[in-house]
Amino acid sequence: QVQLVQSGAEVKKPGASVKVSCKASGYTFTSYGISWVRQAPGQGLEWMGWISAYNGNTNYAQKLQGRVTMTTDTSTSTAYMELRSLRSDDTAVYYCARDPGALEWFDPWGQGTLVTVSS
Amino acid sequence: AIQLTQSPSSLSASVGDRVTITCRASQGISSALAWYQQKPGKAPKLLIYDASSLESGVPSRFSGSGSGTDFTLTISSLQPEDFATYYCQQLITFGPGTKVDIK
Repeated sequence: QVQLVQSGAEVKKPGASVKVSCKASGYTFTSYGISWVRQAPGQGLEWMGWISAYNGNTNYAQKLQGRVTMTTDTSTSTAYMELRSLRSDDTAVYYCARDPGALEWFDPWGQGTLVTVSS
Repeated sequence: AIQLTQSPSSLSASVGDRVTITCRASQGISSALAWYQQKPGKAPKLLIYDASSLESGVPSRFSGSGSGTDFTLTISSLQPEDFATYYCQQLITFGPGTKVDIK
């Protein structure tokens, strides 16, 4: 079955970087994109950006431009999201989700990765 | 950027109730709207896409309708496993969510 499995929880200090992985299985990785969505504790869903697994094209949320980089490794069907210059308000659960390519819907989602930013 | 509002923000209902959640877009978006269900500590799950298309494997008690600026998610007969938070989504924008809990 189609599945996205993410890396484990991280604790980082302010100013550090974090890189979260998302390994896909059960489908042709390069036929879809991957969107990343985060959810702060008790809050709603915030779209962070999208990457095409076909050609690596990216589209980032304006508020994260300059701090986020999304990449893929097609040899391992894995997507990565790196966020730099972490702040306390970056504390959230980070999700990857398969994206047909037009941001119309996201399915399925990874299990989520909790990133805690604390001094 | 398009903004999405949901109403109500929360509701209490009983098993067997018919539940309707509304999502309103700040401008017309044709039928490009999806609905998700999220349970505590879990990832969101796609229920409806293209405003009214039921995702494979989702029970038929869930339905979606609408186009333009006004959309609804309806649960025809609420089941115990349906108590959750529901989000609408259009492109990069998510609604604020509607929490459905037990009356």
